[in-house]
Amino acid sequence: GQNIDQPTEMTATEGAIVQINCTYQTSGFNGLFWYQQHAGEAPTFLSYNVLDGLEEKGRFSSFLSRSKGYSYLLLKELQMKDSASYLCAVQDSNYQLIWGAGTKLIIKP
Amino acid sequence: EAGVVQSPRYKIIEKKQPVAFWCNPISGHNTLYWYLQNLGQGPELLIRYENEEAVDDSQLPKDRFSAERLKGVDSTLKIQPAELGDSAVYLCASKGGPTGELFFGEGSRLTVL
Repeated sequence: GQNIDQPTEMTATEGAIVQINCTYQTSGFNGLFWYQQHAGEAPTFLSYNVLDGLEEKGRFSSFLSRSKGYSYLLLKELQMKDSASYLCAVQDSNYQLIWGAGTKLIIKP
Repeated sequence: EAGVVQSPRYKIIEKKQPVAFWCNPISGHNTLYWYLQNLGQGPELLIRYENEEAVDDSQLPKDRFSAERLKGVDSTLKIQPAELGDSAVYLCASKGGPTGELFFGEGSRLTVL
């Protein structure tokens, strides 16, 4: 079956750096997405990786290794507003999106 | 540009009652999704449309759920009759952008008593 694994919850300190990992097993691969979801709100798009390597976008970066079925989202200079759930989603060979359960990130002052 | 619009935002009904949710996607987005999301979980696909055609409805509980997307724009998701386990947030999303990312509506939170 198809599966995506992410840690359930992580805690980090304001101003620090945190890395959220995502491992996947899917039928084919056509890209990996990261979304941010604040409590009570809808997910919003953060990043997309389809080739191996690092994609940087401001304070957020996302890395992909297709051979390892692995991605991470790196958040730098953490702010209180970064407290949210972070969802990893993989597009399989049929362009079907497989979603992880999300990682709840708690930022402490 | 307007985002994905959903209504109602909140709905409380008693079990066995019907309920309907409406979604207006971003203009020009041909692909539309309905998801169900429970607290602490990722979105679960109910149905995906390409224009007016339902191309993936394998996860839709067809005994009580139905959906339509007439004219390939707005969409409606209906539950009849609702059960206690249907309490969740129902998210509508449309696909677009340079990477084919999804744009979500604010969701419709359903509580079945």
